[in-house]
Amino acid sequence: AQKVTQAQTEISVVEKEDVTLDCVYETRDTTYYLFWYKQPPSGELVFLIRRNSFDEQNEISGRYSWNFQKSTSSFNFTITASQVVDSAVYFCALTSPKSRDSNYQLIWGAGTKLIIKP
Amino acid sequence: DAGITQSPRYKITETGRQVTLMCHQTWSHSYMFWYRQDLGHGLRLIYYSAAADITDKGEVPDGYVVSRSKTENFPLTLESATRSQTSVYFCASKKGQGRDNEKLFFGSGTQLSVL
Repeated sequence: AQKVTQAQTEISVVEKEDVTLDCVYETRDTTYYLFWYKQPPSGELVFLIRRNSFDEQNEISGRYSWNFQKSTSSFNFTITASQVVDSAVYFCALTSPKSRDSNYQLIWGAGTKLIIKP
Repeated sequence: DAGITQSPRYKITETGRQVTLMCHQTWSHSYMFWYRQDLGHGLRLIYYSAAADITDKGEVPDGYVVSRSKTENFPLTLESATRSQTSVYFCASKKGQGRDNEKLFFGSGTQLSVL
């Protein structure tokens, strides 16, 4: 069975601190995609990144960076120099396009609530 | 660039009433989904559709009905609303399967309260 674990329920940091959100996944498929979504207080879910299982290169987008490590089945998300606007719930998700078990659907983590204090 | 829209944004109803939540997308995406979001449960899939006239159950389908007569619309009906169906409902769509098609686009959500 596939599973996504976000062990950190809530993280609170002071503005300008760096913060890392953990995501650990389980799958037996060799082809899969990992995602991060952001849900700000307004409620809408916003796509941040997609990473496929064959690409272990880390990615940086401005203050955001993602560390994908197949050896530890992790896909962690780091925000550098955090800002109040980064306050949101962040979800990690997994899908295996060829997996019958997953019904081709996204498996979601429970989310991590990030609070950035001014 | 309308994207994916849900209506209503907020809905209050009574136990036993039928309620329909609407979802419309303008991209002609093949796949559409209904999720519910509750504290402590994250996002749970209710129903999904791979194409017009093709629907399938997700993780928590009981008490819900869907239809997809047209590609762009995917309404969700609560046949006889119960208090346990009080939740925030999200509609989503994606283009297809594999690589760049796997990205999900979400509506703004419908906050449903069943009294």
